[in-house]
Amino acid sequence: EDQVTQSPEALRLQEGESSSLNCSYTVSGLRGLFWYRQDPGKGPEFLFTLYSAGEEKEKERLKATLTKKESFLHITAPKPEDSATYLCAVQAMASGGYQKVTFGIGTKLQVIP
Amino acid sequence: GAVVSQHPSWVICKSGTSVKIECRSLDFQATTMFWYRQFPKQSLMLMATSNEGSKATYEQGVEKDKFLINHASLTLSTLTVTSAHPEDSSFYICSAEILAGGTEAFFGQGTRLTVV
Repeated sequence: EDQVTQSPEALRLQEGESSSLNCSYTVSGLRGLFWYRQDPGKGPEFLFTLYSAGEEKEKERLKATLTKKESFLHITAPKPEDSATYLCAVQAMASGGYQKVTFGIGTKLQVIP
Repeated sequence: GAVVSQHPSWVICKSGTSVKIECRSLDFQATTMFWYRQFPKQSLMLMATSNEGSKATYEQGVEKDKFLINHASLTLSTLTVTSAHPEDSSFYICSAEILAGGTEAFFGQGTRLTVV
């Protein structure tokens, strides 16, 4: 069974204090790993897709990296508006020939001014 | 980015009634849409994968007859919660994929369902 574990569950940072969020996964036949941002009461907002180990993607203060077992979301000099829950998800081929997405529980990030 | 619109954003219904939730891709065609359910402080749980013109693929433990999915066109998928009960109260979210140099999935804003 595919598993996605995110750590920490919650993270509190001072504005400007860089850190990393971790997403560990166990999946057969990874097709892609996704990072999303979710604000309370709203649907997830797409950030990145990573496909293979060694791949990196950047967007503003965020940088996502991927290895064969985990992914990191690095946040450089965060601002209060970066406060949100960050979700990691993996896409793999399920029995029956369709692609299944499994989400982690998320890391709730709070950036304090 | 692409826009996925979900309607309604919240609904309150009586136990035993049915509720329909719509998911539309506004500026792209989505051959595949996904329906998720999210309980407080829990991760999104995939309920079903909806393919245009064919039957939906349901995840284990999701009742097909209770959660009816129709993907009638390339821009519209609907989820109908039939004979709703209080335990069906949850946050339902749809997403649609587009292939743009890679797979990107865009989510609707979600529907908060409360069954009383």
